[in-house]
Amino acid sequence: GESVGLHLPTLSVQEGDNSIINCAYSNSASDYFIWYKQESGKGPQFIIDIRSNMDKRQGQRVTVLLNKTVKHLSLQIAATQPGDSAVYFCAESLVYNFNKFYFGSGTKLNVKP
Amino acid sequence: ETGVTQTPRHLVMGMTNKKSLKCEQHLGHNAMYWYKQSAKKPLELMFVYSLEERVENNSVPSRFSPECPNSSHLFLHLHTLQPEDSALYLCASSQDQRQTNEKLFFGSGTQLSVL
Repeated sequence: GESVGLHLPTLSVQEGDNSIINCAYSNSASDYFIWYKQESGKGPQFIIDIRSNMDKRQGQRVTVLLNKTVKHLSLQIAATQPGDSAVYFCAESLVYNFNKFYFGSGTKLNVKP
Repeated sequence: ETGVTQTPRHLVMGMTNKKSLKCEQHLGHNAMYWYKQSAKKPLELMFVYSLEERVENNSVPSRFSPECPNSSHLFLHLHTLQPEDSALYLCASSQDQRQTNEKLFFGSGTQLSVL
C-alpha cells in the first residue's frame, strides 16, 4: 500500500529564517500531493498542492517542490513567523481513486522568536 | 473557518454508550469523508461518501456506522466503543471529481474519549 513519511519529526527555526520540511512517498503512481498545516485544537488546513505534471509551485511565502525521480516532496516557508508554528503533513493520492489521500505522520515546526 | 462544521467538539463516553458525531459542510461539495487521527499516527481514512453513496469503507469495525442523508451532512454513529477508539475524528469534504483529485477541506474535529 501507499506509504508517506517525513524525515524530521521536529524542526526548530529562528523567526525570520526559511524553513524546509521534507516528505518521502513510496507510490510512484501518486499524482497529486498536498501540504496541510495543523495547529493545536484545529483540523488540518490546506497550504498548497501540486500535481505530478509539475515540479515546483509557489504560493504566498510557501513553495512546494516535487522530485518524482526520488519520490520526494518538500515544503519551503520563507521568513518563518511565530504563527507558522504547527504540525505539517504531506498527503498523496492517485487519480481514479475516489480522492483517497494517504498522510504522513507530520513534522512539528517550532518557530523561536 | 473552513466551511466544515463538526459537533460536538469534545465527547466523553462509556463503552456501553451510543453517541453520534455530526458534520455539516457549507461549500457545495458532493464528497464527504471521515478520518481518524490518533496521537503520533498518520490520519487514517475511515469512510468516503460521494453523492451520498458510500464508496469506501476502509476496514472499519462495525461499531462505527456512518450515515450521509444528503451531500451537506455526514454522521458517524458510535456504539460499544473501546478505549483504543479514543482519538480526534475529522470530517472533510471535497468537490467530487472522478477524473482528477481535489483538495480536502477539514472541520476542527471531535475529540473523543472512551472510558
